[in-house]
Amino acid sequence: KAGVTQTPRYLIKTRGQQVTLSCSPISGHRSVSWYQQTPGQGLQFLFEYFSETQRNKGNFPGRFSGRQFSNSRSEMNVSTLELGDSALYLCASSLLGSDSPLHFGNGTRLTVT
Amino acid sequence: GQQVMQIPQYQHVQEGEDFTTYCNSSTTLSNIQWYKQRPGGHPVFLIQLVKSGEVKKQKRLTFQFGEAKKNSSLHITATQTTDVGTYFCAAQISGNTPLVFGKGTRLSVIA
Repeated sequence: KAGVTQTPRYLIKTRGQQVTLSCSPISGHRSVSWYQQTPGQGLQFLFEYFSETQRNKGNFPGRFSGRQFSNSRSEMNVSTLELGDSALYLCASSLLGSDSPLHFGNGTRLTVT
Repeated sequence: GQQVMQIPQYQHVQEGEDFTTYCNSSTTLSNIQWYKQRPGGHPVFLIQLVKSGEVKKQKRLTFQFGEAKKNSSLHITATQTTDVGTYFCAAQISGNTPLVFGKGTRLSVIA
């Protein structure tokens, strides 16, 4: 069974630009969660989608948004990038959501200059 | 929002020594999960604990969930260099709420 696939692996953007990250979950998994990982803050929850509906949202500004498609693939978008958005963005899929184990992708390393 | 405190932040041990990391919440939890992240890698699921007082073992790893379901621990017996990485606890308050991760404990093992 293929694992969680995130694209791209690395991204360099400048302040003010926007970015879209993609995540393909494990086949059969209907829940996709996004986390931001930084050395100072650790793993911070962004949002969770289940069957195309946003089920939970973390404490991030509205510049961070996401969506899930009917095939469970998910995208997250960050608009008006700031230097502080530089981080590893991790996507995780699971069968049921946080009640069940999360399977993480390799992440997208975003650098904002 | 909900916070999960994890200690210690760092732990350096000699190979063969034991290691323990602790996770504490002020709120009763519905379940707690543990993950390991190797340097340069992504978090990998280790175990999920659901019942009060639950103890689970995986080879040299022992996981415990407190009686009050507010704390948990991971104990590694006789560490090996392959145990190097950051260990995270992740807690859920109730169904359909997101997993909140602790800051992690970074384990270094000196051969």
